[in-house]
Amino acid sequence: EVQLLESGGDLVQPGGSLRLSCAASGFTFSSYAMSWVRQAPGKGLEWVSAISGGGTTHYADSVKGRFTISRDNSKNTLFLQMNSLRAEDTAVYYCAKAPYTAIVFFDYWGQGTLVTVSS
Amino acid sequence: SFELTQPPSVSVSPGQPARITCSGDALAKQYAYWYQQKPGQAPVLMISKDSERPSGIPERFSGSSSGTTVTLTISGVQAEDEADYYCQSAGSSGTYPVLFGGGTKVTVL
Repeated sequence: EVQLLESGGDLVQPGGSLRLSCAASGFTFSSYAMSWVRQAPGKGLEWVSAISGGGTTHYADSVKGRFTISRDNSKNTLFLQMNSLRAEDTAVYYCAKAPYTAIVFFDYWGQGTLVTVSS
Repeated sequence: SFELTQPPSVSVSPGQPARITCSGDALAKQYAYWYQQKPGQAPVLMISKDSERPSGIPERFSGSSSGTTVTLTISGVQAEDEADYYCQSAGSSGTYPVLFGGGTKVTVL
């Protein structure tokens, strides 16, 4: 059974940093692209970042230069380092798995972790 | 344009069909995918590649495509189908950026 478990969400001040993790199980982690998708309170889904099975990374314009996605295939874990956080980054952050080595769509999602950026 | 447009809401009586549209230039070249999200829960893939239904998804959910518009149809809506529905596609280049529609709230009257 595929499982994705996010952690690391917290309350952080504007300009601060946070690192999210997503522990994966139930599939060969290194073979699939992974992504972060966020959802601001009461809003829709917004794609944030993706990383291929081989480590190629992609970012939404809204987070480029501030967020860094990475993966540790030996530990089956996906990360999102978030720097220079802004109020508009407040959201539930979902870890999502693609059915291929590149992101085209998402076949499994985690339950999400809440990031609140506020003073 | 790199946008997917959905109606904000659709209301339907139980047993009636519900149709949710999603429009965008990217859909002329890329497949569409549909997700269902219930309050407090993660999204669930309902339709892939415009019209393919993943294992475990009820047959009353179907998808279709025409030009730059795709449609999710729920034939015979049930109370449990009340949820937000999002379409998703890839950018015109094939993968990135990943595009989501704004979401449609389906209310079962």
